[in-house]
Amino acid sequence: EAEVAQSPRYKITEKSQAVAFWCDPISGHATLYWYRQILGQGPELLVQFQDESVVDDSQLPKDRFSAERLKGVDSTLKIQPAELGDSAMYLCASSLVAENEKLFFGSGTQLSVL
Amino acid sequence: GENVEQHPSTLSVQEGDSAVIKCTYSDSASNYFPWYKQELGKRPQLIIDIRSNVGEKKDQRIAVTLNKTAKHFSLHITETQPEDSAVYFCAATSGNTPLVFGKGTRLSVIA
Repeated sequence: EAEVAQSPRYKITEKSQAVAFWCDPISGHATLYWYRQILGQGPELLVQFQDESVVDDSQLPKDRFSAERLKGVDSTLKIQPAELGDSAMYLCASSLVAENEKLFFGSGTQLSVL
Repeated sequence: GENVEQHPSTLSVQEGDSAVIKCTYSDSASNYFPWYKQELGKRPQLIIDIRSNVGEKKDQRIAVTLNKTAKHFSLHITETQPEDSAVYFCAATSGNTPLVFGKGTRLSVIA
């Protein structure tokens, strides 16, 4: 069964450093999402892509977060500089355009900012 | 925008008993309501979903009910087993906006 791939699985960094997360969606899935999940809470959307275009980044803290999907396939989420409050699970998800409500999640990147 | 409330936050049941998790939503335009299961350290996985044109859907031991008038939907798990222990998330969307998730329910099935 095809899965959304994410790396790294875990990332520990010091505050003010830069971090980057990578996501490769299921082949053929044009829609890609980055969600942030704080411990004990549900996932919250950061950014949504349709192919290489940003559809919704209204909840992305643009002063420190950036996301790109240059070729409309894999995607990178970057944080610079990282802050203590950024510690969370960063989940990538993808979906088909025809069934864009059905999200398939990756295993996530667990970020710890010290 | 949409707001999804989920209760309870934790739930413990004896093996073989039933478990019910409830969610309410605020946007009357929402028409798709999935439930995700997230085991410790693993990805959220879709276990069942319902659209607003039906009131109930079943898949073996799992069922979801929807009350559009009251804007609430529920997950029912019968004959619970230890492997049902996980965090369950409800979500809602109108299709034009991304999924909005509840805060999750940690279900513990005690053998």
